Amino acid sequence: GDSVTQMEGPVTLSEEAFLTINCTYTATGYPSLFWYVQYPGEGLQLLLKATKADDKGSNKGFEATYRKETTSFHLEKGSVQVSDSAVYFCALKRGGSEKLVFGKGTKLTVNP
Amino acid sequence: NAGVTQTPKFRVLKTGQSMTLLCAQDMNHEYMYWYRQDPGMGLRLIHYSVGEGTTAKGEVPDGYNVSRLKKQNFLLGLESAAPSQTSVYFCASSPPGLLIQGHNEQFFGPGTRLTVL
Repeated sequence: GDSVTQMEGPVTLSEEAFLTINCTYTATGYPSLFWYVQYPGEGLQLLLKATKADDKGSNKGFEATYRKETTSFHLEKGSVQVSDSAVYFCALKRGGSEKLVFGKGTKLTVNP
Repeated sequence: NAGVTQTPKFRVLKTGQSMTLLCAQDMNHEYMYWYRQDPGMGLRLIHYSVGEGTTAKGEVPDGYNVSRLKKQNFLLGLESAAPSQTSVYFCASSPPGLLIQGHNEQFFGPGTRLTVL
């Protein structure tokens, strides 16, 4: 079945450091890929998405590129801020399916 | 637009008690979902609905029931609560569109923290 694997956290960085959170997936066909972010005490919000191979999703300085050859969708940011502290979830959705499949989440803490 | 709202925000139950969680959305979305979030487990789908009057089982449906009598509301019921159902519950909805393409994002509510003693 479909699955998403994220790097395990927690991840702790200093402000202005470079961030990478790895995400790989297993799915039939060509799924859409998503990164969601959950700030403390809140629900999940869509951060970015990509719907086909080689697409790059970007938002708020975060980027992720849909790599079909490596079945990956790694999240990156060049310079993190304290306000980026949150839990990040990678997810996929196959065409024709109503359901998202989530990874287990990666907690990021950014220290000043 | 309020988006997706959930009531209550917090609840403490005793084992064996019943309760209903309410999810409401004002975005005219066709699809609605209930998830539970547990430490180290990510989000797991409990039940979902693809339209008014329809429901379907997700990954972890046992011990829960749902109803979608109105398009804007999706209710999650626990008939006899157990400590294993202590969790944070999230509702989500998804807009209509080309399902075949899989593009449609889900919009999440703020969550309900449930403790079963």
